[in-house]
Amino acid sequence: DIQMTQSPSSLSASVGDRVTITCQASQDISNYLNWYQQKPGKAPKLLIYDASNLETGVPSRFSGSGSGTDFTFTISSLQPEDIATYYCQQYDNLPQYTFGQGTKLEIK
Amino acid sequence: QVQLQESGPGLVKPSQTLSLTCTVSGGSISSGSYYWSWIRQPAGKGLEWIGRIYTSGSTNYNPSLKSRVTISVDTSKNQFSLKLSSVTAADTAVYYCARVPVEMATIFDYWGQGTLVTVSS
Repeated sequence: DIQMTQSPSSLSASVGDRVTITCQASQDISNYLNWYQQKPGKAPKLLIYDASNLETGVPSRFSGSGSGTDFTFTISSLQPEDIATYYCQQYDNLPQYTFGQGTKLEIK
Repeated sequence: QVQLQESGPGLVKPSQTLSLTCTVSGGSISSGSYYWSWIRQPAGKGLEWIGRIYTSGSTNYNPSLKSRVTISVDTSKNQFSLKLSSVTAADTAVYYCARVPVEMATIFDYWGQGTLVTVSS
């Protein structure tokens, strides 16, 4: 099984800050890495797919990069509405879908 | 706009079978363009993929749950269902149904709002 290690588990930042979350796969997953935002009491929402592609309608302050085993998710300028928990998610051809442990983002 | 809605008992006794249904509206479940998936999330914890089904009835399950899971589809009702047998307190979670595009089978693009299932006597 492919394991996903996401860090940090929690993060406190100020409005306007640049925020970065990382996700590491236990083996090469090419670019099969997605990022979701989950607000309290809500279902996750797809933000980034295939490591770096912005889902339609998602603000451009969100971005993703990486390939192979190391991936990064960035919010260029944190907004109050970005408070949420963020998850990475990988896919392999078994098929199997695996999520990272999540990063809880709070406003400082 | 497609919508997914989970339904089913919110309380299940230990050792019994958890049964949930996801009703799809705004699109046909038998279009052939999507897989239909279940995902769960224990309170305060991360997300776990349970399995998926295609219109044909072909299924794929998470190996960690495979022995206890059955996912089925009812195209006449535009629904798909989850059965999880021999439940324990560890199966207490919010259960989500979600859609997976066949042409981009790596993502979950639409989700239901989720339904909380508690396993307790």
